Amino acid sequence: ETGVTQSPTHLIKTRGQQVTLRCSSQSGHNTVSWYQQALGQGPQFIFQYYREEENGRGNFPPRFSGLQFPNYSSELNVNALELDDSALYLCASSLRSFATNEKLFFGSGTQLSVL
Amino acid sequence: AQSVTQPDIHITVSEGASLELRCNYSYGATPYLFWYVQSPGQGLQLLLKYFSGDTLVQGIKGFEAEFKRSQSSFNLRKPSVHWSDAAEYFCAVGFTSGTYKYIFGTGTRLKVLA
Repeated sequence: ETGVTQSPTHLIKTRGQQVTLRCSSQSGHNTVSWYQQALGQGPQFIFQYYREEENGRGNFPPRFSGLQFPNYSSELNVNALELDDSALYLCASSLRSFATNEKLFFGSGTQLSVL
Repeated sequence: AQSVTQPDIHITVSEGASLELRCNYSYGATPYLFWYVQSPGQGLQLLLKYFSGDTLVQGIKGFEAEFKRSQSSFNLRKPSVHWSDAAEYFCAVGFTSGTYKYIFGTGTRLKVLA
């Protein structure tokens, strides 16, 4: 049990809709990262939030956006959903953003299906 | 560019047999290496990590991994596999490029025969 919780666990949307996924980080962790895991693939880095600011982004279009709140919980928003957005979305929290040997603690993920 | 390769997509072993899962990485500096395990529909659980020092690292559930710089490898091993080890295993490199992030391999799915 990592202490990172994500909601909802499953979600079904149709193409063109918008979705919001939520993550509560482990107590004391001020950094949240989001990863997308497509079927049969390893997770891919979407972006990271540190103290409510976006702190880095992977190769994802602007329709993927996020927020981090003062309590360090976070949201991932995806606009104009496409079929290829169907994936498991993982949230990971960590104690520090800039340490190069930091461990990430992952939640169980939100399984998004786009029809 | 940084990358992680897990050459074996699927591996099947009998319960009680030994296991080795391969991982090769490409990274220009000292790597920070991780192995995670994922059960169906679940998140990722950290098995072990290598940051520096002893190149043979011990993890949870009886797993170990050996870092070999000359081969750019970080293979995961277990002397005797249990049926509950059936899952997907991911190797990852942690690095900083503006932001600290992981690059994951594509995973190896382990099947255990009774």
